[in-house]
Parts: sequence; C-alpha cells; structure tokens
Amino acid sequence: EAQVTQNPRYLITVTGKKLTVTCSQNMNHEYMSWYRQDPGLGLRQIYYSMNVEVTDKGDVPEGYKVSRKEKRNFPLILESPSPNQTSLYFCASSLRAGNSPLHFGNGTRLTVT
Amino acid sequence: GQNIDQPTEMTATEGAIVQINCTYQTSGFNGLFWYQQHAGEAPTFLSYNVLDGLEEKGRFSSFLSRSKGYSYLLLKELQMKDSASYLCAVKGYSTLTFGKGTMLLVSP
Repeated sequence: EAQVTQNPRYLITVTGKKLTVTCSQNMNHEYMSWYRQDPGLGLRQIYYSMNVEVTDKGDVPEGYKVSRKEKRNFPLILESPSPNQTSLYFCASSLRAGNSPLHFGNGTRLTVT
Repeated sequence: GQNIDQPTEMTATEGAIVQINCTYQTSGFNGLFWYQQHAGEAPTFLSYNVLDGLEEKGRFSSFLSRSKGYSYLLLKELQMKDSASYLCAVKGYSTLTFGKGTMLLVSP
C-alpha cells in the first residue's frame, strides 16, 4: 500500500531531551516536507526537501533539523525541544515539487513539558 | 511570501450546497490546492487548479481566478461526512503555504 509512515504517533518528552520523529514513504517521491499544525495557526512548513541531499528551510525552521540521505526517509530532529514545540507534526511527500498533490502521514502529536 | 485568507467556520444543512472562499496574495504562483481534514486525521487531497476556471470532480468543484487572487471550493449534495476542515494551499516555486482552514459543520 502506498503510504507515508510517521513514528511515533504520540510522544511526551521533557525540555532539552533530543528526539527524532521518523518519516518514510514507499512511493519513490522526490519531494518531502514537514509541517506543524497548531490551533488558530493552521499548517506551517518547517523544512522541505526537493530530492536526496537537498533540504531547505520553510516558514518556521528554528529549533529543528532534517536530513535526506535516502530518497524514502526524511527524519525531523529536535536537538533541544522546548514547550513551544508542543504541536501536531505532519510529514508529507509528493512525486515532485510542482503540481503533484501531497500525501500526508498520520501525524505525530508531540508534548514537551 | 504568501498571505491566504479563508473563513474560519461555516455551517450548512445536509443536502445543500456550500461555497468556501479563499483569497490570496502571493509573490509567486504555481497553482492552488484544496485539502480536506477530518478532526484528528491527516489532510487529504481534493483538487488542484493552476489555470483560471472551474474543475469538477463529482460532488466537489474548485474555481480559480488568478487575476483576482481568488478561489472557491463548491460542495454539492452535502453529507454528514463532509463535516471537516477545508484547507486552501497556494503553491510557490518550491513551498506550499496553507491557509488556516475553514471548519465546515453539516447538520441534519
């Protein structure tokens, strides 16, 4: 089944403890992206990747890192999480960066205390 | 950058027609998407417009006017399962910027 898989679905952690949210797609998509969704603010892009070894900042990249060493994987790294990073995170991918629709993962609800 | 505006909430009755508007200001435009998001779930793709005009897909249609920076999503024969948030998203060169979404509540 064609899908974007994120893990974990739920995560509670403490301030400063490094964490990684994994994202993997099995559709051979070139474009991958991370969004966070907060009430009243909608979906905001954190980072995106046009292809392997190519990543770029979105609208809210502060406090996050990403890597794209393989086409299928695009992990999101929080080196030192803070409470303002408590949010619902979505990974998404599309065939290319043009008019291809995004396929979203099921989301990761992160709470930082 | 992009600035996208859509109503926060709308209500409608089962079987009716509803139009959800989206206006945008953008420095680069490569198309406009509509997504549906049920509570607690991931967004799913509904439609894509890059040229002016109407695109029809079953009960859903989407319209675009590039000169006016305006799009709408038209939902016909509303069903209870259409209660969801509808997200307008504008494609720039490489980024996709989402509006804050319109929560649609369909009542019996």
